[in-house]
Amino acid sequence: DGGITQSPKYLFRKEGQNVTLSCEQNLNHDAMYWYRQDPGQGLRLIYYSQIVNDFQKGDIAEGYSVSREKKESFPLTVTSAQKNPTAFYLCASSQGSANYGYTFGSGTRLTVV
Amino acid sequence: GQQVMQIPQYQHVQEGEDFTTYCNSSTTLSNIQWYKQRPGGHPVFLIQLVKSGEVKKQKRLTFQFGEAKKNSSLHITATQTTDVGTYFCAGPWGGSGNTGKLIFGQGTTLQVKP
Repeated sequence: DGGITQSPKYLFRKEGQNVTLSCEQNLNHDAMYWYRQDPGQGLRLIYYSQIVNDFQKGDIAEGYSVSREKKESFPLTVTSAQKNPTAFYLCASSQGSANYGYTFGSGTRLTVV
Repeated sequence: GQQVMQIPQYQHVQEGEDFTTYCNSSTTLSNIQWYKQRPGGHPVFLIQLVKSGEVKKQKRLTFQFGEAKKNSSLHITATQTTDVGTYFCAGPWGGSGNTGKLIFGQGTTLQVKP
């Protein structure tokens, strides 16, 4: 079945560490997105990519980095510069414009310990 | 900046009662999308509305897109415990969809008492 796979499901990070969240899709979608969700809140866009080897900052990109070397993969690195990284991270993909619905992965819950 | 607002933020209903959530955009939208996120889960795409005044139904769910294409609503008839979750509306950033990104409302969380 086609879909988006995020891993790991749960991740614990020590302060000062960088961590990388994986996102892989086999839907042949051109566009991929990373959102952050805090408890009881909506979705805030971190980064997005509409094509391989290109990506743009979203609303809250500070302290995060991404790469898009393959169409299927869009990993997110949470760096030590991110002051409050504990959150639920969601990866999504779409056919390429905002005129198509997004398919979301099941998310990664990151906790700083 | 562009905003998409949803009301109410929370709604508690008795099973069998109706429920409505409203979505308002600060800009005209080429389309409006609705998603549902179950507790502990991820958002799942429900539907997209494109035409001015469009109404679509999915079983007990009725979705409307306003005539001015700036507002939308989701109405659930005779709620069930399976309807529990957070409902998000979303519209294209910049209104047209060409940027490839959506702006999401804050969501309405529905609790249903059996």
